[in-house]
Amino acid sequence: DAGVTQSPTHLIKTRGQQVTLRCSPISGHKSVSWYQQVLGQGPQFIFQYYEKEERGRGNFPDRFSARQFPNYSSELNVNALLLGDSALYLCASSLDPTGELFFGEGSRLTVL
Amino acid sequence: GENVEQHPSTLSVQEGDSAVIKCTYSDSASNYFPWYKQELGKRPQLIIDIRSNVGEKKDQRIAVTLNKTAKHFSLHITETQPEDSAVYFCAASQLRSQGNLIFGKGTKLSVKP
Repeated sequence: DAGVTQSPTHLIKTRGQQVTLRCSPISGHKSVSWYQQVLGQGPQFIFQYYEKEERGRGNFPDRFSARQFPNYSSELNVNALLLGDSALYLCASSLDPTGELFFGEGSRLTVL
Repeated sequence: GENVEQHPSTLSVQEGDSAVIKCTYSDSASNYFPWYKQELGKRPQLIIDIRSNVGEKKDQRIAVTLNKTAKHFSLHITETQPEDSAVYFCAASQLRSQGNLIFGKGTKLSVKP
């Protein structure tokens, strides 16, 4: 079985641009969480979605948004990019909100 | 909200020695405490977890202990091997929402042959 897949793996944007990151959970998993990992730090929780509903939101500005589709895949959108948004964005899936998290390899975003 | 502190930030041991990493948490409602291993450029992978209804859990060379009263938990790795070298993260959450993990800042473990 495939694990959690994320795309793109790497991307470079300039300040002010917008970015969309995509995540496909493990088959059968209905919950998806997004994390931001700045170099040298632990992952920081951004969003959790379950059955297409937002279940939790971390301390991130409104420039960050996400959604979950009927097939349980998810997108993370970041508007008006800042240099400080440069990070590894990790998606994790679980069977449900109480299940073990399985992380994807991440999307590395560089903002110039 | 929850805050997780992790120490030390770096740890260097000789192959075969033990390694201990400690974390403290602030929210008494947290009841789920996983540990993740992240190798350079790779995804975080769960290596062991503990729930607040137990004080200790072991899996071969890895063990985790939890002190709910003091709000701290520790990772113990015995008989360390070079392949144990990685960054280790502790985290805390509530069982009803394990997708909402609060991570520590990580410990870079180096095991010297």
